[in-house]
Amino acid sequence: AQSVTQLGSHVSVSEGALVLLRCNYSSSVPPYLFWYVQYPNQGLQLLLKYTSAATLVKGINGFEAEFKKSETSFHLTKPSAHMSDAAEYFCAVINTSGTYKYIFGTGTRLKVLA
Amino acid sequence: GAGVSQSPSNKVTEKGKDVELRCDPISGHTALYWYRQSLGQGLEFLIYFQGNSAPDKSGLPSDRFSAERTGGSVSTLTIQRTQQEDSAVYLCASSLIMGPADTQYFGPGTRLTVL
Repeated sequence: AQSVTQLGSHVSVSEGALVLLRCNYSSSVPPYLFWYVQYPNQGLQLLLKYTSAATLVKGINGFEAEFKKSETSFHLTKPSAHMSDAAEYFCAVINTSGTYKYIFGTGTRLKVLA
Repeated sequence: GAGVSQSPSNKVTEKGKDVELRCDPISGHTALYWYRQSLGQGLEFLIYFQGNSAPDKSGLPSDRFSAERTGGSVSTLTIQRTQQEDSAVYLCASSLIMGPADTQYFGPGTRLTVL
């Protein structure tokens, strides 16, 4: 069975600072991994996804993530935080034994300080 | 084109009443998923449709929950005899086909409050 763990339910960074949101996965097969962002009172929006094509994945809004098999990690980064990045971020892995439903992490709420 | 839409956006009901939540997926998307987002449980899968059939209902928390999909398009999630623990945001997502690399596109959700 697949699972993901997000370390840090709340992360605060200063505007212009590096954003690092952590996600570790557990999977007995090559995983498909996703990062979604949720702004207040909105649905989930895809930031990026790893589908085994390249280990460094670039997404929207300047975000990227690197798949590291040796560390079972898929951390999300952005070089310079913007106030508009304040939101909740979810890491997810696809359950590949059946219907490809998402298994989500518990989420990380990002706060950007002026 | 239009994204996934859900209605109502908010629903307040009394304990014991039945509620229906609607999802309109992106046109042409054959796969449809329902998830629930609650404070205690995070984001959890409820049910999956491929076309009009539901091969995976493993996430439905009790037999008070049911869902159907008609015409390979609109889906309705029904909760009978609502309980306070049913209070949550119910999210619907659709994808073009069923595959591990396919992106699921989410609607804005329905916030259900059971008094």
